[in-house]
This record gives sequence, C-alpha cells and structure tokens, in this order.
Amino acid sequence: KAGVTQTPRYLIKTRGQQVTLSCSPISGHRSVSWYQQTPGQGLQFLFEYFSETQRNKGNFPGRFSGRQFSNSRSEMNVSTLELGDSALYLCASSLAGTLEETQYFGPGTRLLVL
Amino acid sequence: AQSVTQLDSHVSVSEGTPVLLRCNYSSSYSPSLFWYVQHPNKGLQLLLKYTSAATLVKGINGFEAEFKKSETSFHLTKPSAHMSDAAEYFCVVSDLRGSSNTGKLIFGQGTTLQVKP
Repeated sequence: KAGVTQTPRYLIKTRGQQVTLSCSPISGHRSVSWYQQTPGQGLQFLFEYFSETQRNKGNFPGRFSGRQFSNSRSEMNVSTLELGDSALYLCASSLAGTLEETQYFGPGTRLLVL
Repeated sequence: AQSVTQLDSHVSVSEGTPVLLRCNYSSSYSPSLFWYVQHPNKGLQLLLKYTSAATLVKGINGFEAEFKKSETSFHLTKPSAHMSDAAEYFCVVSDLRGSSNTGKLIFGQGTTLQVKP
C-alpha cells in the first residue's frame, strides 16, 4: 500500500499570503490529522477530520482551516501568513482515528514564510 | 489533561552500547502510548505502541518499551545502538479530549539520540 503523501514538499511564501497544503491518506483510512512542527513549540495538533467532518481541533487561530473530501483526501489552508507560521506541517492518517490506532505520517510540507 | 515529559533533550551513546530514552506521562485514564522516530528531513515513523495489552512492548529495529503504571513511565530501550539509530525520538500519548473515543496525539518535546562510532 502506498503511504501518506503530502504536496507540495516545500513552499516559500511571503507574509500576508495564503497557502493550501494537500494530504492523501493511506487507502482505506478515513481519519486525517494535521500537526505543526517547529523548533520552539515542537509538534502540535492542528485538527482532525473524519468522513468530511472536523472532529477535533487544537489551539490555533482561525487563520488555520482545513477540509476533507469524500475520498478522504484533506487540505489545510493558512490565510494571512505570519513569519511564525514557518514550520513543517505533517499529515497523519488512520482507519478511524480512535485512541488505540496507529497514525501513519506523511513526509511533511516545509513552509517558509518570508 | 494528558501530557508527556521526555526527561532528556539529548542522549549520546557509543555504537554497540545500550540506549535508554526516558518518558513520563500524565493521564487521567488508561492511556495509549507510542514512540515515534524522526530521521532528518523525514516524517515520523512508529517504533512501537502500548494499548493496555502486555506491559512490555516490542517494536521495530530492536527497540522495546515497558509501561509502568506505578511510575507513570514508558521508557524506550535498545540493547545495542547502531549508527542508523541516530535520530529524534518522540514519546506520545493519545489524548481523549474532544470527541468521544477519538484521539489526538500529544507529543513530548523529543530526545535527540546521537550515536558515536
């Protein structure tokens, strides 16, 4: 089975712009979660989608949003980019997103905001 | 609230010697615990997980971890380090908050493992 894929792998944007990142989960997985990784804050949960519905949300401002499509692919959007949004954005998928399940991570999208 | 504390931000060992990466957790219920590894410029790979079955969990690449409820610990060990083990390791707890029976992952701050020849 193919793993979790994320596109693009690298992005450079300037402050004030917006960006959309894409994640394709493992085939059959319906839960997709997004995480932000920065040197200062570590890995932080952004949100989780299941069956096109946001089920969990982390403590991030409303500039961060996401959606999931009927084929379980997910996108996250960051509007009005700030320098502090520079990070590695990781997507993870699992069958149903329950507590015990393993989440499988993609390689990430590295975003640099100038 | 659930949380994890990785007690060492950096661990250095010589190749062929044992590895010990320490993790304490805080949880108000029986947690699911994981160790993930991240090699430079790569995503996260699951090493092993504990989900209330056997307290000694064996993972990939010779790693194992023991769940000790009385000590609220989930330390990661390996008998003999290999150069390829050099990476960042994350102890993770699954957080019950939010929707019922769905988890989001709470990550520790990470431990960088250096393996010297």
